[in-house]
Amino acid sequence: DGGITQSPKYLFRKEGQNVTLSCEQNLNHDAMYWYRQDPGQGLRLIYYSQIVNDFQKGDIAEGYSVSREKKESFPLTVTSAQKNPTAFYLCASSMEGGMISGNTIYFGEGSWLTVV
Amino acid sequence: AQSVSQHNHHVILSEAASLELGCNYSYGGTVNLFWYVQYPGQHLQLLLKYFSGDPLVKGIKGFEAEFIKSKFSFNLRKPSVQWSDTAEYFCAVNANTGGFKTIFGAGTRLFVKA
Repeated sequence: DGGITQSPKYLFRKEGQNVTLSCEQNLNHDAMYWYRQDPGQGLRLIYYSQIVNDFQKGDIAEGYSVSREKKESFPLTVTSAQKNPTAFYLCASSMEGGMISGNTIYFGEGSWLTVV
Repeated sequence: AQSVSQHNHHVILSEAASLELGCNYSYGGTVNLFWYVQYPGQHLQLLLKYFSGDPLVKGIKGFEAEFIKSKFSFNLRKPSVQWSDTAEYFCAVNANTGGFKTIFGAGTRLFVKA
């Protein structure tokens, strides 16, 4: 089935450790995104990538890093510099990064990260 | 910077009541507008979108939204809600601001009483 796969679904991290969340899509989409969802704040954009080997900071990029070495993969690393990392993380993708088609974003099922 | 405001964080309605969820955005140029829905235990999915043409957009499950450019608004409506509409609804804006990204509102939690 086509879609976006995030792993792991649940992750516990000790303070001071980096952790990487995986995101893979087989939709042949050009653009990929990472959002963070917190209660009462909706979805906030962390990073996005329109093409391979290129990515841009979103609104809350501090303490996070990404890579886009392959079209289908966009892993997110939550570093120890992120002050409040406990959250629900959503990976998403869309057909293209432009405005031409009013492209729809498709979401993965999310990853819960808890810092203990 | 572009932003999206959703007026109500929590809405409680009885079945068969009419629904209108407000959404305003701040960007003066060309925009694409979306409503996404997250049902309990499910992931976010598209409800409807506007990118050109008729400003009254119809989506799935009887929802519609009207783009009013002069008011920078894209309110979501449904004439008669059902218990199964209980979910969280997110308005989103995509604008060509020199770097493509889609910005979401804070969300509105709708609870429909049976």
